Amino acid sequence: RKEVEQDPGPFNVPEGATVAFNCTYSNSASQSFFWYRQDCRKEPKLLMSVYSSGNEDGRFTAQLNRASQYISLLIRDSKLSDSATYLCVVALRYGQNFVFGPGTRLSVLP
Amino acid sequence: GAVVSQHPSWVICKSGTSVKIECRSLDFQATTMFWYRQFPKQSLMLMATSNEGSKATYEQGVEKDKFLINHASLTLSTLTVTSAHPEDSSFYICSAGEGAYEQYFGPGTRLTVT
Repeated sequence: RKEVEQDPGPFNVPEGATVAFNCTYSNSASQSFFWYRQDCRKEPKLLMSVYSSGNEDGRFTAQLNRASQYISLLIRDSKLSDSATYLCVVALRYGQNFVFGPGTRLSVLP
Repeated sequence: GAVVSQHPSWVICKSGTSVKIECRSLDFQATTMFWYRQFPKQSLMLMATSNEGSKATYEQGVEKDKFLINHASLTLSTLTVTSAHPEDSSFYICSAGEGAYEQYFGPGTRLTVT
């Protein structure tokens, strides 16, 4: 089983749609969780950290369920500029390397 | 956020030659940097952990004699791909974290070996 798994995608949605991405991780000792976005041929950029209480940043909402080892990302009112690959990222401990999920590609269509 | 740079951004080299990639933390010190590799349509895979002043830690399956890592200062780590072959063609990305809670990624180096 892979350490971090994500929806295979791709997701093709119209502008204004709400889209949700799911992610599961295998190591229950993992401490840090993030969503990154990666544009084609670019480096990953931090979208948001994910906290146990859930957190929201504008149109983006992230949630963590430690019991189920599940992370989600919800994008509301999607924009064309949201088109990218979304990477679920998990770190075992503070200061440890990141383990990346395979990513889910999103295409927002006009 | 913190800034991490990489140089070169892209390089084309002939099979059998060696290529050095630099990763610099520009506005913070990083005792640990990470090197990742990404093949087309695949996710980033950790290659090695670069530790300032000590030997790098390599992931299983990554040849330490082929991918030489040097982390001589708190702001610079280098990855040298020795005797490169076409299968080494990939996107190499480094990351570093100030305090290492959040990792900041360099812009990546696209290596093409002909």
